Amino acid sequence: DTGVSQNPRHKITKRGQNVTFRCDPISEHNRLYWYRQTLGQGPEFLTYFQNEAQLEKSRLLSDRFSAERPKGSFSTLEIQRTEQGDSAMYLCASSRGTGHSPLHFGNGTRLTVT
Amino acid sequence: DQQVKQNSPSLSVQEGRISILNCDYTNSMFDYFLWYKKYPAEGPTFLISISSIKDKNEDGRFTVFLNKSAKHLSLHIVPSQPGDSAVYFCAAVLNTGGFKTIFGAGTRLFVKA
Repeated sequence: DTGVSQNPRHKITKRGQNVTFRCDPISEHNRLYWYRQTLGQGPEFLTYFQNEAQLEKSRLLSDRFSAERPKGSFSTLEIQRTEQGDSAMYLCASSRGTGHSPLHFGNGTRLTVT
Repeated sequence: DQQVKQNSPSLSVQEGRISILNCDYTNSMFDYFLWYKKYPAEGPTFLISISSIKDKNEDGRFTVFLNKSAKHLSLHIVPSQPGDSAVYFCAAVLNTGGFKTIFGAGTRLFVKA
């Protein structure tokens, strides 16, 4: 169990630019989740994959956000035309595909939009 | 729409005493509840969980209590240790096919030596 890996750890970008984050889940985990966390708040659900299928998207995920998990392994989260309000910690988590398995989180990617 | 609420942003406790962290929820469809602990610069880590069909689950120094009628759960840590100082998130799972986990805003626990 090497843990969930997220890259980059930090990203600073100018408003209007596109950014892409990567998440490598624990290898035997079928489920992959993206969350966003802002200061003083808990993680907010963005989207969820079961293997390569994206099964649910939050209303928080505007058209500028897209996530993929092309082969059911790693996942990418892309934000197009970034806005200052996108500044947050983006957390990836994975879990086994059985019942109520707890989430295993990566250390997150901190995005700062200037 | 905050379905999981942690109304205490912070809690300070003396080492060796009991820490009690509280959580309220509004959605009756939640069927599983978890507590996660978070240290700075790290992602949350799973601590303890409880199914909605139980009212108590214990793991070492950590016990979670669930009161379904009151839609309330609590985490007890006894005895508290300085290493327990962290942010604690209450979380609830909606089994709508995706096991979506909803988090509270967190409570920062300070355990004083």
